[in-house]
Amino acid sequence: GQQLNQSPQSMFIQEGEDVSMNCTSSSIFNTWLWYKQEPGEGPVLLIALYKAGELTSNGRLTAQFGITRKDSFLNISASIPSDVGIYFCAGLNYGGSQGNLIFGKGTKLSVKP
Amino acid sequence: NAGVTQTPKFRILKIGQSMTLQCAQDMNHNYMYWYRQDPGMGLKLIYYSVGAGITDKGEVPNGYNVSRSTTEDFPLRLELAAPSQTSVYFCASSLLEGEAFFGQGTRLTVV
Repeated sequence: GQQLNQSPQSMFIQEGEDVSMNCTSSSIFNTWLWYKQEPGEGPVLLIALYKAGELTSNGRLTAQFGITRKDSFLNISASIPSDVGIYFCAGLNYGGSQGNLIFGKGTKLSVKP
Repeated sequence: NAGVTQTPKFRILKIGQSMTLQCAQDMNHNYMYWYRQDPGMGLKLIYYSVGAGITDKGEVPNGYNVSRSTTEDFPLRLELAAPSQTSVYFCASSLLEGEAFFGQGTRLTVV
């Protein structure tokens, strides 16, 4: 089946640093989404991308839909302690299994104050 | 402002027992989903529904059943609990495909 490779698996950074993570696939997706999950909570949608090449920002977060439609990137600028959590990418194809979001395994972010 | 509500939050089951995980949403979303999340893994789709009366299997449906008699509710049934079903279960709903809102999860342990 389709798989998403998310990297890095984990990151330990200093407060104020910028963060980059990415997601790649051997398959093409029509939509890329980025979620954040905090301990004991469900994932929360951060950014949704619908067009190849699209660059979208949400505060200090910026995500891009790769031109090949096989990858996506998430950047966090000037990290703060509340950025701690697990970040998941997810890809969606319309016309396949309808409603089937494929999730990456997540990038665990730790921020040292 | 409830969003997606899951009950219970925690449950311990003995092997062979059955239970129903409840999920309700108050956003009038057509799409609803059940995912399971195992440690260090992403979320895997168990079942989904595109509207009342319509359900379909996801990636890992074995051992589970669902029903969707109303737009609001999407219960997940485990008939014969097995240790392999120990996991955190998330229900989600969406208006558009993909932009899913998740509940807080049900942590299930089968012993």
